[in-house]
Amino acid sequence: QLQLQESGPGLAKPSETLSLMCTVSGGSISSDRYYWGWIRQPPGKGLEWIATVYYSGTTYYNPSLRSRVTISLDTSKNQVSLKVRSVTAADTAVYYCARRGITSRDAFDIWGQGTVVTVSS
Amino acid sequence: DIQMTQSPSSVSASVGDRVIITCRASQGISNWLAWYQQRPGKAPKLLISAASNLQPGVPSRFSGSGSGTDFTLTISGLQPEDFATYFCQQTNSFLSLTFGGGTKVEIK
Repeated sequence: QLQLQESGPGLAKPSETLSLMCTVSGGSISSDRYYWGWIRQPPGKGLEWIATVYYSGTTYYNPSLRSRVTISLDTSKNQVSLKVRSVTAADTAVYYCARRGITSRDAFDIWGQGTVVTVSS
Repeated sequence: DIQMTQSPSSVSASVGDRVIITCRASQGISNWLAWYQQRPGKAPKLLISAASNLQPGVPSRFSGSGSGTDFTLTISGLQPEDFATYFCQQTNSFLSLTFGGGTKVEIK
């Protein structure tokens, strides 16, 4: 059964680059049947889609975050990574990774438990 | 960008009630809409995809409908475990997978 597990530093300082990892077990991120994405949720607020990546390397980014984020795959470790540059307090959130199918009818059907990130000096 | 507007933002209901949550897209998205349930401190759970396609294991009291710009999630016979926050998401455009603002279903 597929499982996703996010990991991160917990605390980041303003202006730093935040690096997050999602380790996938029970399935391969190299499958051509799925996309892999990151979604975040600030405290007490709603969900914000950040980015999605396909096994081929094709990426899609939220236009509001595109200039500061990079999503990528490490197929040797079966991991999906996310980097957020120049973080501010507004980047404080729970960060989730999730899987979705490749068609428009598909949604994020499997999620990790999330990793909490606080940006503070 | 496609904007998704959910209403109401919160609703108070009793066990056994029927609850209807609406989601409106700023432009037509065919029936490419998903609904998620999120309990406090937990990750979202996919309930419905493609506007009305109930996911395996999701109780039949949940149903979705709509197409184009207007969609609804109906919970028929609210159960204690259904008190949670519900989000819609458009899945039509890979360039921007926008979520609605959420609807919190609270106990009356």
